[in-house]
Amino acid sequence: SQQGEEDPQALSIQEGENATMNCSYKTSINNLQWYRQNSGRGLVHLILIRSNEREKHSGRLRVTLDTSKKSSSLLITASRAADTASYFCAKMTTDSWGKLQFGAGTQVVVTP
Amino acid sequence: DAMVIQNPRYQVTQFGKPVTLSCSQTLNHNVMYWYQQKSSQAPKLLFHYYDKDFNNEADTPDNFQSRRPNTSFCFLDIRSPGLGDAAMYLCATSGYDRMRGGYTFGSGTRLTVV
Repeated sequence: SQQGEEDPQALSIQEGENATMNCSYKTSINNLQWYRQNSGRGLVHLILIRSNEREKHSGRLRVTLDTSKKSSSLLITASRAADTASYFCAKMTTDSWGKLQFGAGTQVVVTP
Repeated sequence: DAMVIQNPRYQVTQFGKPVTLSCSQTLNHNVMYWYQQKSSQAPKLLFHYYDKDFNNEADTPDNFQSRRPNTSFCFLDIRSPGLGDAAMYLCATSGYDRMRGGYTFGSGTRLTVV
């Protein structure tokens, strides 16, 4: 079964605005990862946050992890039209032996 | 550049006609995965290879098989495709320290069953 849910399912913003999406999970994790998928393409790894980390940054991306609430968020600052894509969180649970379990994703549309 | 390559990008097959999708990698990663992704859904793990060790997910239909003849190549065989097997098939790789790193995905093969 899928590990957790993503919220919102879809997000529409204008260029320059920030986009925030959330991911929840059910069981203990080793790490949590975020991926981007452009329409009809493969997934691109964005950022990985380990269970003992609370926040990570990569360029305009900021990821937080709250293990007490079993949730993570991805913030994209100063969004651009090129950020239009689906964003997936993927959980590597402690009992999964390195396998990633993906959520259903958040579809982000950034309009110029 | 090191990468994961999937061929073909688009595949059309007839109902019940066996089809093979291929994946190759130049990363020398020891773990290779096959995911199925249907429209607007989460990628679903079908199986993976840890070196030559094949690991099938419990809910992967018997209709799906895989082969890994060497480190670089991995194949997904669908023995008798049904209409419900139409999907994007994604190949991914990860290194030995798979608990600490992300996956590298190919661009996917979109399978249409007619």
